[in-house]
Amino acid sequence: DTGVSQNPRHKITKRGQNVTFRCDPISEHNRLYWYRQTLGQGPEFLTYFQNEAQLEKSRLLSDRFSAERPKGSFSTLEIQRTEQGDSAMYLCASSRRTGNYGYTFGSGTRLTVV
Amino acid sequence: GEDVEQSLFLSVREGDSSVINCTYTDSSSTYLYWYKQEPGAGLQLLTYIFSNMDMKQDQRLTVLLNKKDKHLSLRIADTQTGDSAIYFCAEIPTSGTYKYIFGTGTRLKVLA
Repeated sequence: DTGVSQNPRHKITKRGQNVTFRCDPISEHNRLYWYRQTLGQGPEFLTYFQNEAQLEKSRLLSDRFSAERPKGSFSTLEIQRTEQGDSAMYLCASSRRTGNYGYTFGSGTRLTVV
Repeated sequence: GEDVEQSLFLSVREGDSSVINCTYTDSSSTYLYWYKQEPGAGLQLLTYIFSNMDMKQDQRLTVLLNKKDKHLSLRIADTQTGDSAIYFCAEIPTSGTYKYIFGTGTRLKVLA
């Protein structure tokens, strides 16, 4: 069990550019989640996959955001035409299909839009 | 509505007990969690409690749940400097979803 891996750890981008983040969950976990955390706040739910199916999306996920999990393993989160308000920590987590025994979070990708 | 509230700061002396409180609003939540976040890191699951329990103890951690008041607390016995972090409570509203609703977090500072 190597934990949940997120890349990159940090990303600085200019406003208007596109960025893509990657998450590799724990291999036997078939649920995968994306959250966003801004300074001084708790994480806010963005979206959730069970295997390759995206089952729920938050209203926070505007049209500029898209997430995929093409083979039910790793996932990518893309933000198009980044805005300064997108600056945040993007957290990925995974969990088993059965039970509600908590998520395992990755260390996050910190995005700074300048 | 979905809202989880926590006090923002708590400061304790090393060796004392810490009590971090949380109020949630979805009375139908069946699972409640405590997570710890150290600077620059993701969240680490500390413990969880099912709604049919009043208390759960796990080494230095004690979770108390008052369903009537929708109040959850985390007690850390013999608090150490390594416990300094932000603590989040979270609930899963039983609305057929697996997403968590997190509180705003309580920053615990342990003074040596």
